[in-house]
Amino acid sequence: AQSVTQLDSQVPVFEEAPVELRCNYSSSVSVYLFWYVQYPNQGLQLLLKYLSGSTLVKGINGFEAEFNKSQTSFHLRKPSVHISDTAEYFCAVSSTSNDYKLSFGAGTTVTVRA
Amino acid sequence: NAGVTQTPKFRVLKTGQSMTLLCAQDMNHEYMYWYRQDPGMGLRLIHYSVGEGTTAKGEVPDGYNVSRLKKQNFLLGLESAAPSQTSVYFCASSSIIRDFSYNEQFFGPGTRLTVL
Repeated sequence: AQSVTQLDSQVPVFEEAPVELRCNYSSSVSVYLFWYVQYPNQGLQLLLKYLSGSTLVKGINGFEAEFNKSQTSFHLRKPSVHISDTAEYFCAVSSTSNDYKLSFGAGTTVTVRA
Repeated sequence: NAGVTQTPKFRVLKTGQSMTLLCAQDMNHEYMYWYRQDPGMGLRLIHYSVGEGTTAKGEVPDGYNVSRLKKQNFLLGLESAAPSQTSVYFCASSSIIRDFSYNEQFFGPGTRLTVL
């Protein structure tokens, strides 16, 4: 089984400042990793994913994440946030075997202030 | 394409009442999922289906039943609602996994359920 820990439940940040959201996972098998974003009163959208290959993955809206196998981490970053980035962000993991289930972290709420 | 839609968007029930939440997808996806989202707990899988006529339990299945009579629809039922089932419910769907490729799930907008 896999599990995900998001280390920050709330992250306040000023507009145009950088932001980093931390995610650590636990698994005994190889994994795929995902970041989803949930804007207020909406469903989840895929922000980016790590499947294999380059450990630095780029997603939509200027976000990127780095997979670190030795530290079992998949932290999300954006160099300069906008007001519109205010949302809840979820890290998720699934095994690379024929297991179709995602395990989600508890979420990090990002609030961007002017 | 509407993607994944959920009906209703909001519902208030009294303890002991029953209801069915409907999820529909128009992407011809084989897999469908029901999650609940509670503050500080992320999304937890209730039940899922890997094809028409098949369902399986997820992480928190107790108190819920599901049916997948048609490929495009996945129903979540609460036979006797309890206040602990107050939550936001999300449906998701994904296409079949081939060659161990990844499993991107597409989510609906959610149903906010309150049980009094």
